Amino acid sequence: EVQVVESGGGLVQPGESLRLSCAASGFTFSSYWMSWVRQAPGKGLEWVANIKHDGSEKYYVDSVKGRFTISRDNAKNSLYLQMDSLRAEDTAVYYCARARGFEIWGQGTMVTVS
Amino acid sequence: DVVMTQSPISLPVTLGQPASISCRSSQSLVHSNGNTYLNWFQQRPGQSPRRLIYEVSKRDSGVPDRFSGSGSGTDFTLKISRVEAEDVGVYYCMQGTHWPPWTFGQGTKVEIK
Repeated sequence: EVQVVESGGGLVQPGESLRLSCAASGFTFSSYWMSWVRQAPGKGLEWVANIKHDGSEKYYVDSVKGRFTISRDNAKNSLYLQMDSLRAEDTAVYYCARARGFEIWGQGTMVTVS
Repeated sequence: DVVMTQSPISLPVTLGQPASISCRSSQSLVHSNGNTYLNWFQQRPGQSPRRLIYEVSKRDSGVPDRFSGSGSGTDFTLKISRVEAEDVGVYYCMQGTHWPPWTFGQGTKVEIK
């Protein structure tokens, strides 16, 4: 079964850091771009970051540039999001998705900054 | 950045009746390769988003044929031919032509009257 499973969310204070992980299975992870998308409580979807299949290109939404870092380990079929200098407005459910079609989504992991 | 604008924001519908959601982009979504990268997603209450439609009108596997996508350039539509109870949720359009950033519409909430 093709799936992605996020982990690593939690409650942190403003200014602290958190690292999210996404474990992929059922497809050739190293062949696909991957993405992080977030959804603040009661709000819509917001694209956060994308990474090319080989990690050579990375893109971020302006609001997280310089604070968040997307990375991947193709040997471990894993995607990561290092989140530093967290703010209250980063509070959201963070989804891992297979890009660039966004055809596969995980169940999400909640990050609360308070 | 490409701005995606959906309407209506809220859509009460009667079971068995059709429903239509509009999505407009601030610039044409036709890529230089001729393709148009406009997706539609469904998010049922308490669930993750699910892609329904890609490249304007191509239905994903397992998506009921009562869902259809159409449009071109800057104007796109998602139609549900006969709404069922399981269709309740929020629907989002998203463009993948002019990136970064990849941008979503604000969402349309479909509910049963």
